[in-house]
Amino acid sequence: EIVLTQSPGTLSLSPGERATLSCRASQSISSSYLAWYQQKPGQAPRLLIYGASSRATGIPDRFSGSGSGTDFTLTISRLEPEDFAMFYCQYYTGSPLTFGGGTKVEIK
Amino acid sequence: QVQLMQSGAEVKKPGASVKVSCKASGYTFTAYYMNWVRQAPGQGFEWMGIVNPNSGSISYARKFRGRVTMTRDTSTRTVFMELSTLTSEDTAIYYCARSGNPGVGNGPKDYWGQGTLVTVSS
Repeated sequence: EIVLTQSPGTLSLSPGERATLSCRASQSISSSYLAWYQQKPGQAPRLLIYGASSRATGIPDRFSGSGSGTDFTLTISRLEPEDFAMFYCQYYTGSPLTFGGGTKVEIK
Repeated sequence: QVQLMQSGAEVKKPGASVKVSCKASGYTFTAYYMNWVRQAPGQGFEWMGIVNPNSGSISYARKFRGRVTMTRDTSTRTVFMELSTLTSEDTAIYYCARSGNPGVGNGPKDYWGQGTLVTVSS
């Protein structure tokens, strides 16, 4: 089973700042199957990035993904007020599919 | 537009079973696999299994085998997840989530239902 470890647990930033979120896999994985999701309180997750670096439909270009092997990054270039939320990475092939434990991006 | 509409919240006693439904609309139901994922209160996500609505084939996460049953009804465009022998550790929000690549299960989860809260309490 692939274990995904996200860091930091919480990121305290101000609107307009850059956010860098990390997702580390327990072994080398295919970047073709790495996704990032955003979840706000009381809502279902929203797909942001798939294939490590492709933005999902309707996702603003301030969100970008990168990485390969065991280390992946989600970057939000300039935080907007609506971006403060929980973010999760996911490896979406194999069994079981696995999720990281999440990073909370909160307003400083 | 794609929508996944889940059934309402449930309260169950330990040892009971629960059945959650997920009705799809806005796309070709049989073309996209459907997953079930749960999230315990304040916790992360746990993948439970996946259904091929076209063939009816199913793959369950090892943790849930023997206790979960996933089915689909193509006439009503609905997938179902039944979990038996409930304990307090099964208290969670249960989501259906579509695999976004047609015809294959290993796609990103591009659409999610609104979630169904299942509470297990004596």
